[in-house]
Formats: sequence, C-alpha cells, structure tokens
Amino acid sequence: DTGVSQNPRHKITKRGQNVTFRCDPISEHNRLYWYRQTLGQGPEFLTYFQNEAQLEKSRLLSDRFSAERPKGSFSTLEIQRTEQGDSAMYLCASSLRADTNTEAFFGQGTRLTVV
Amino acid sequence: AQSVAQPEDQVNVAEGNPLTVKCTYSVSGNPYLFWYVQYPNRGLQFLLKYITGDNLVKGSYGFEAEFNKSQTSFHLKKPSALVSDSALYFCAVRDMGGYNKLIFGAGTRLAVHP
Repeated sequence: DTGVSQNPRHKITKRGQNVTFRCDPISEHNRLYWYRQTLGQGPEFLTYFQNEAQLEKSRLLSDRFSAERPKGSFSTLEIQRTEQGDSAMYLCASSLRADTNTEAFFGQGTRLTVV
Repeated sequence: AQSVAQPEDQVNVAEGNPLTVKCTYSVSGNPYLFWYVQYPNRGLQFLLKYITGDNLVKGSYGFEAEFNKSQTSFHLKKPSALVSDSALYFCAVRDMGGYNKLIFGAGTRLAVHP
C-alpha cells in the first residue's frame, strides 16, 4: 500500500497520560498536514510541515501538543497530559509541493479516546 | 475569513435517482474547491477539485460538481445514486493564506436507500 499510513488506528488512554501518533506520508510528498476531526464536524487544520520544517501551527494546537517531522519523512504528533476534550480523530495528509494545485491524500486516521 | 457551508446535515435519496449535495463558499479571490468522501472508520478520499477552467468538473466514482461563481456554490452531483455511495461528504476550500491547507465544511451524510 503506497498511501498515507497512520498508527495506531485506535488509542484509548486515561486522562493525564501522554500519547504519540505516527504518520508515514506518501514517499515523494514533501508537504505534510495534521488535522483533527471531532464528531459531527469537518476536519480542522492543526499544523503543516514542508520537509522537516514546521511552517504553520493552528491556534488549536495548544502547548500540550507537539509535532515533529525529523528528516522530512514520517511525522509524530504528541499530546501531553491528555484531556477528555482531546478525544477526536487525528488525520494526517500529504501532498506534493511541486504542484500547488494538487490535492492532499489522507490517511485512515487515529481515533483517540480519553477516559 | 474564508469558509465553507454545507447546509444539509443529511441527504436521503433512492437508489437510481440523481443526487445533489450542496456546498457554498466564501473566499476573497478565486477559490480552489474540493470534495472528499469519508466511509465509516476511514480517512478522507479525494473525489474531485475545481481550480480553473470548465465549471463542470468530473471526478471519481461517477461524481461531478458544478462551480457557480455568481452563487458561490460548488454542488456535488451524480446522475444515478448507488447504495454504496452512502457516506459522509465534505466540501473544502483551499486557504489562500498559503501552504495549501484546507478549510472544510461540517459534512453532509448521504443515505442512499434501495
């Protein structure tokens, strides 16, 4: 499968614990995005990487959230001290920078439940 | 501020009938518009996009969308619905602020009945 891969698919954690999600984009894609989707809503942008550089962060990304993309390949999203309000689907997407009109390809998401 | 509105939470249609899922947008300048579909417990799958050119855009799985600048709309259509089209549909506009991030509508659930 050469699509965007996200792990784990599901994560249940207790409030206050830290969690980390991984995203492997399509190999030649240098743009990588994280979105959050809550029930009944469309995805909301969290952060953007161009290669290894994190170029934009949404105000939704509180200081408990951190994302990295070492070497411009896979990316991780960490949430520290999870809260029940963090329960959501976390989606990763990637696209090619060369074509500014290209669409983004999404992974299947990681569903986080904070209990 | 740029935004997308999907005025219908749910659309019900009988199999074989035409379907329309509505989307209106608000942007400054020329919009770049997208439709994605989401099946249960799955990520979003790209259906089609409008960048420039013909107002009628054809996409995957027999879907098409009509761009109407005067009405600021980008409705998704299909001539003959299938039960397997039942899913959650999202309209999105590219944020003109840069980096190609997408601004999504709240989604419309399409239910196609046999």
